[in-house]
Amino acid sequence: DGGITQSPKYLFRKEGQNVTLSCEQNLNHDAMYWYRQDPGQGLRLIYYSQIVNDFQKGDIAEGYSVSREKKESFPLTVTSAQKNPTAFYLCASSQTGSDIQYFGAGTRLSVL
Amino acid sequence: SQQGEEDPQALSIQEGENATMNCSYKTSINNLQWYRQNSGRGLVHLILIRSNEREKHSGRLRVTLDTSKKSSSLLITASRAADTASYFCATSPYKLTFGKGTLLTVNP
Repeated sequence: DGGITQSPKYLFRKEGQNVTLSCEQNLNHDAMYWYRQDPGQGLRLIYYSQIVNDFQKGDIAEGYSVSREKKESFPLTVTSAQKNPTAFYLCASSQTGSDIQYFGAGTRLSVL
Repeated sequence: SQQGEEDPQALSIQEGENATMNCSYKTSINNLQWYRQNSGRGLVHLILIRSNEREKHSGRLRVTLDTSKKSSSLLITASRAADTASYFCATSPYKLTFGKGTLLTVNP
């Protein structure tokens, strides 16, 4: 089945710790995105990548980092600099030239 | 900044009734999309309407777009309990900008 896989489904972070959220797609899409969703809110863009080895900051990139070494993978690291990391994180991808995005099932990050 | 703004924030109806939710936006768009999100899950694309289109249908969904008023509406006809979800509009160009969503509850 083609799609986007996010793991883990639930993640807990201790204070001062960096954690990495995984996002893998087998849709052969060039573009990938990371969003943060807080309760009752819309999605806010953290980072996006339109091609391998290239990525751009979104609206709320501070405290986060990404890499795009492979077309299929776009991991997100929540660093200790992110003081309020508790949220639902969604990864998405899209074909070049299309605005339609396909989403993973999300990772819920909580702070211990 | 969030461009799309859905209205109402929450809507509760009975099965079989129609559900209408609205989206307003602020700047010029290339297209507008509607997505559905079941609780605790990812978003699923429902329909895309281009800026030069006024109405589009897909199954029980009907979307209208009024670029002069910078607004769109999503109509779900003959709703089912399985339609219970949050619905978001998203606008482009460049990167998608999502609203806060309308929480639709369809009571059996």
